[in-house]
Amino acid sequence: KAGVTQTPRYLIKTRGQQVTLSCSPISGHRSVSWYQQTPGQGLQFLFEYFSETQRNKGNFPGRFSGRQFSNSRSEMNVSTLELGDSALYLCASSSGIRAETRSSYEQYFGPGTRLTVT
Amino acid sequence: TQLLEQSPQFLSIQEGENLTVYCNSSSVFSSLQWYRQEPGEGPVLLVTVVTGGEVKKLKRLTFQFGDARKDSSLHITAAQPGDTGLYLCRGTTSGTYKYIFGTGTRLKVLA
Repeated sequence: KAGVTQTPRYLIKTRGQQVTLSCSPISGHRSVSWYQQTPGQGLQFLFEYFSETQRNKGNFPGRFSGRQFSNSRSEMNVSTLELGDSALYLCASSSGIRAETRSSYEQYFGPGTRLTVT
Repeated sequence: TQLLEQSPQFLSIQEGENLTVYCNSSSVFSSLQWYRQEPGEGPVLLVTVVTGGEVKKLKRLTFQFGDARKDSSLHITAAQPGDTGLYLCRGTTSGTYKYIFGTGTRLKVLA
């Protein structure tokens, strides 16, 4: 079974530009979550999608957005990049969301996209 | 701001020693998970705990969820070099259903 794939793996952008990152979940998984990981702030939750609908959102500014397609693939977009957006962006997929705890079933993470903003 | 504090931040021990990592918060969590992350890879789920007071064992790893569901611990018995990595706890907050990752514990086990 193929794992979660993220493209590109590495990206260098300049301030003010915008960027789109892509995530392909494990086949059959319908939930995709995005996280930002930095040395200073650690791992922070961005948003979660399930069946093309955003079901959960972290505390990030509106410059960070995402979407999910009918085949469960997901993209996240960051507009007007800032130096502080340099980070490892991780995508995780799961089969769904537990109704009783509103937490995802076991999440499988991709290797991440390392974004550097100069 | 909801925080999940992990301690210690860094830990370097010899093979065969025991260790405990703590994950503490003032928030109540409906569930809590532990992950291990190695360089260049995404985190890998180790365990999920849901019930206050719950204890789960995974070979040499023992996980405990606090009675009030605000804290958790991970105990490793007879650590091995293969246990080296970044250990992260992640909680789902009750009510608001936000995912919060802990600050992380970087473990190095020396052969």
